[in-house]
Amino acid sequence: QVQLQESGPGLVKPSETLSLTCTVSGGSISKYYWNWIRQPPGKGLEWIGNIYYSERANYNPSLKSRVTISVDTSKNQFSLKLSSVTAADTAVYYCASALVLRGWFDPWGQGTLVTVSS
Amino acid sequence: QSVLTQPPSVSGAPGQRVTISCTGSSSNIGAGYDVHWYQQLPGTAPKLLIYGNNNRPSGVPARFSGSKSGTSASLAITGLQAEDEADYYCQSYDSSLSGRVFGGGTKLTIL
Repeated sequence: QVQLQESGPGLVKPSETLSLTCTVSGGSISKYYWNWIRQPPGKGLEWIGNIYYSERANYNPSLKSRVTISVDTSKNQFSLKLSSVTAADTAVYYCASALVLRGWFDPWGQGTLVTVSS
Repeated sequence: QSVLTQPPSVSGAPGQRVTISCTGSSSNIGAGYDVHWYQQLPGTAPKLLIYGNNNRPSGVPARFSGSKSGTSASLAITGLQAEDEADYYCQSYDSSLSGRVFGGGTKLTIL
């Protein structure tokens, strides 16, 4: 059973770049689509984007200009970078896997809270 | 404003049945894309509840069921239990946005 674990700084300053990593265990990173999803405090879920190890990443159009998702197959990890952050980017960030490009998300990581504040 | 529309809240007494609607459009649910449902218990990550419109993953009780028709989908929960109190989200794919979309979420309260 695949397990996912997010890691990265819990506090980022405005205008800087948010960087998170998701470590995959119990499965091969070359087998699934890897996704990032976020949830602002008290609000709903927002899909950020996804990547397959041998394909180009896909991004939410509302975030596309600021987002980069990449895969490191040697470390069984994938990463998220979100540039020029503001307080509106404060959220719990989840990584999740999907078997197919437009499929369901399962499993999810436990999530990590990232706060944007000076 | 979410692409998929859900009621903000629903409630029901233990043992009763509730349904949660998820309304989309011709570029997502109406275009034939599958709908998936997630349950988020307080303080935890979302968990897959229904996939492919009406399929339950292993371990999800038969009390939970999904359906889809036209531009809408529904999640039904029968025999409500206290542990069902959670937020529920629908999710699909939108061809206009070329990406995944979620409903705004529905908070289920057990009376």
